[in-house]
Amino acid sequence: GNSVTQMEGPVTLSEEAFLTINCTYTATGYPSLFWYVQYPGEGLQLLLKATKADDKGSNKGFEATYRKETTSFHLEKGSVQVSDSAVYFCALRAILTGGGNKLTFGTGTQLKVEL
Amino acid sequence: DGGITQSPKYLFRKEGQNVTLSCEQNLNHDAMYWYRQDPGQGLRLIYYSQIVNDFQKGDIAEGYSVSREKKESFPLTVTSAQKNPTAFYLCASSIGGTGGYGYTFGSGTRLTVV
Repeated sequence: GNSVTQMEGPVTLSEEAFLTINCTYTATGYPSLFWYVQYPGEGLQLLLKATKADDKGSNKGFEATYRKETTSFHLEKGSVQVSDSAVYFCALRAILTGGGNKLTFGTGTQLKVEL
Repeated sequence: DGGITQSPKYLFRKEGQNVTLSCEQNLNHDAMYWYRQDPGQGLRLIYYSQIVNDFQKGDIAEGYSVSREKKESFPLTVTSAQKNPTAFYLCASSIGGTGGYGYTFGSGTRLTVV
C-alpha cells in the first residue's frame, strides 16, 4: 500500500538557519505530493504541492522537488524564522479504485525555531 | 470567504455516550473526509464521501458513523463502540475526481472522554 516516511522531530534550529525535512514515499503509479503545516491547536494548511516528477513546489520561501528516482519530496527553506515553528506533514494523494482520491500522511515533523 | 467550519472546538464525552461532530463547507467541494490525529501517529482516515448520499470506510472506521445528506455537510458520530475516542478530529474537503488538488481542512474538534 501507499505510505509516507518523514524524519522524526523535533527539529530545533536557530533563526536564519537552513532547514531540510526529509520525506520519502512508497506508492504505485504517480501520486501527487504535498506538504502541509499545522500550527498549535489548528487544522492543516496546504504549504506546497507537486503533481509530477521533477516538479518543484514553492511557497513562502519553502521549496520541495518531486524526485521519482529517489521517491523523495524533501522540504527546504534557506532561512527560517521563529514564525515557522509548527508541525510539518508530508502527504501523497493516490487515486482510489472507482475514482476519487485519498491523502496518506506521514507522522509529522515538529520544527522549533529559536532566536 | 469560503472555508470549512468544524464545531464544537472542544467536546467532552462520558463513557457509553454517542457524540456528533459537525463539519460544514461552503467551497462547493464534492469530496469530504474525516481524519483522526493522535500524537506521534500522523493523521488516519476514518470515512470519506465523494458525492452526496454516498460514503466509504477509511482505515479506522470501526466505532464511527457518518452521513452525507447535503453537499455542504458531513457530520461524524463517535459511538460508544469506539474504545479510545480521545483525539483531535479533522474534517477536510476537496474537489473530487483524480486531479492533483490539495485538501482544505477545518480547524478541528478536540474530543475528550471523561
